[in-house]
Amino acid sequence: KNEVEQSPQNLTAQEGEFITINCSYSVGISALHWLQQHPGGGIVSLFMLSSGKKKHGRLIATINIQEKHSSLHITASHPRDSAVYICAALNNAGNMLTFGGGTRLMVKP
Amino acid sequence: DGGITQSPKYLFRKEGQNVTLSCEQNLNHDAMYWYRQDPGQGLRLIYYSQIVNDFQKGDIAEGYSVSREKKESFPLTVTSAQKNPTAFYLCASSIGNRDGRVEQYFGPGTRLTVT
Repeated sequence: KNEVEQSPQNLTAQEGEFITINCSYSVGISALHWLQQHPGGGIVSLFMLSSGKKKHGRLIATINIQEKHSSLHITASHPRDSAVYICAALNNAGNMLTFGGGTRLMVKP
Repeated sequence: DGGITQSPKYLFRKEGQNVTLSCEQNLNHDAMYWYRQDPGQGLRLIYYSQIVNDFQKGDIAEGYSVSREKKESFPLTVTSAQKNPTAFYLCASSIGNRDGRVEQYFGPGTRLTVT
């Protein structure tokens, strides 16, 4: 079993839909990253959070430390949100990331 | 602008040849990392360096070598001993933020194809 699991692996949505991507982890962490990878391959860090909730534009990330679970939400989804979304757990020492397998999102117009 | 550069974006090599992927950062970060990504799989750590002239093996270091002679540069050599070198390679660097946690910044990646 992977230490960081994401679901779903693939997600197709219609433009405007509310999207949720889930991440569960089994290791102790100091923080959790949400990353976005576009078809070209480059990765952008969306959020790093260790408790509660963070919001940036239409993106919201939440984390529940007790349940070892985090979610990434996209409100009013748009085709340009189509990408692979990756969660990554930062270890307790704060220097090493363990990555989930990614969720491939396609938003159709 | 500060950032991480990787070149080239696409690289093609014949089997049996060594190839070196470059990674440069001007963010003044101490730590640098190399990851490999295979289709449909998550990122896996190849090597990392916390400081100049020091580096450590990650989860899949076999067939790879690195050097860290300068803070800004962390080149990765894919040797002929690497059995499945075709992959997407990502370089990252990191710095501790204000609350003590480390945030990693990623380069644009190099897609290596070995035939």
